[in-house]
Amino acid sequence: DAGITQSPRHKVTETGTPVTLRCHQTENHRYMYWYRQDPGHGLRLIHYSYGVKDTDKGEVSDGYSVSRSKTEDFLLTLESATSSQTSVYFCAISESAGVVTEAFFGQGTRLTVV
Amino acid sequence: GDSVTQMEGPVTLSEEAFLTINCTYTATGYPSLFWYVQYPGEGLQLLLKATKADDKGSNKGFEATYRKETTSFHLEKGSVQVSDSAVYFCALNSGGGADGLTFGKGTHLIIQP
Repeated sequence: DAGITQSPRHKVTETGTPVTLRCHQTENHRYMYWYRQDPGHGLRLIHYSYGVKDTDKGEVSDGYSVSRSKTEDFLLTLESATSSQTSVYFCAISESAGVVTEAFFGQGTRLTVV
Repeated sequence: GDSVTQMEGPVTLSEEAFLTINCTYTATGYPSLFWYVQYPGEGLQLLLKATKADDKGSNKGFEATYRKETTSFHLEKGSVQVSDSAVYFCALNSGGGADGLTFGKGTHLIIQP
């Protein structure tokens, strides 16, 4: 299994509070991704990174920010959590952006905003 | 842009039944195609992939053939088991940028004993 660790695995937080989710990898892969998974929507890309300090927005980036100060860590921050951000969040990594490259996923973080 | 379409389900089958989950795609160029599986409470795992037309990916009794003429990558298994109950995602990678794979919405499969 790819070495990807997400923390925390579960979190309950109150509306308006900041929340940071962490993704840590031991594979030295260049590309990292944050997705959210919701019923009826499948997986939606929030933000991605193509190197240290290199990030870009995905399909559903509003209300989220990311940082990548080291190859192994990719942080997702909800500046002021809202109930619509209740979801399961997945981190993924890939070695390259090449067409044959697959992604490897973490176990997910279940976030509940009350 | 790229897109993947698959039935969302739930799809309910009896044990030992034949499984087909349809997947069609729209993409530029010559994408690679993937099936991922998500067991309850877990992350997605790569099940199989195919990187060019007419390639067949296979794993754990599942198989799918890359059909460029019909832009399809249907997942099949001859005899399903209760342990195959999961959500299955079809995905593609057209290699057009750093934003990774494009996923379908997932198909929830329930196998009854």
